[in-house]
Amino acid sequence: EAQVTQNPRYLITVTGKKLTVTCSQNMNHEYMSWYRQDPGLGLRQIYYSMNVEVTDKGDVPEGYKVSRKEKRNFPLILESPSPNQTSLYFCASSNSYEQYFGPGTRLTVT
Amino acid sequence: GENVEQHPSTLSVQEGDSAVIKCTYSDSASNYFPWYKQELGKRPQLIIDIRSNVGEKKDQRIAVTLNKTAKHFSLHITETQPEDSAVYFCAASFYNTDKLIFGTGTRLQVFP
Repeated sequence: EAQVTQNPRYLITVTGKKLTVTCSQNMNHEYMSWYRQDPGLGLRQIYYSMNVEVTDKGDVPEGYKVSRKEKRNFPLILESPSPNQTSLYFCASSNSYEQYFGPGTRLTVT
Repeated sequence: GENVEQHPSTLSVQEGDSAVIKCTYSDSASNYFPWYKQELGKRPQLIIDIRSNVGEKKDQRIAVTLNKTAKHFSLHITETQPEDSAVYFCAASFYNTDKLIFGTGTRLQVFP
């Protein structure tokens, strides 16, 4: 089944404790992206990747890192999480425009 | 920078009525305009999309219209049903790439 997966789905952590949210797609898509969703602010792009080893900042990249070492995976790294990064995170992938979203990761930073 | 404005932010309609959501975009090179539906607690799902060489597209009760000159596009839902209640997002492609710029969403409530 064609899909985008994310792990974990839920995470509660403390300020400053490094964490990684994984994202994987099995559709051989070149484009992958991370968004955060906050009430009233819609989907804001954090980082995106046009292909392996090619990443670029989105609208809200501060406090986040990504890597794209292989086509199927695009992990999101929070080196030192802060409470303002509490949010719902979505990974997405696409080929020729149509974006497929992962199930979301709800992150709480206390 | 490039942006997409979406209105209204909330919309309440009676079951059976029509609902219209409007978006405007700033990037004249945008050529792909999808609409996503997000039900509570779920991921956004593509419901309809339109490309710049088409002015209108219809799929059963939903339709999208595009006016490239005015840089706006709209989602039309006819004969609304309670299961249409969700948040709807419009988006526009960034130049000729897979990158999408999203609107801020419209919360649609359909009352029985």
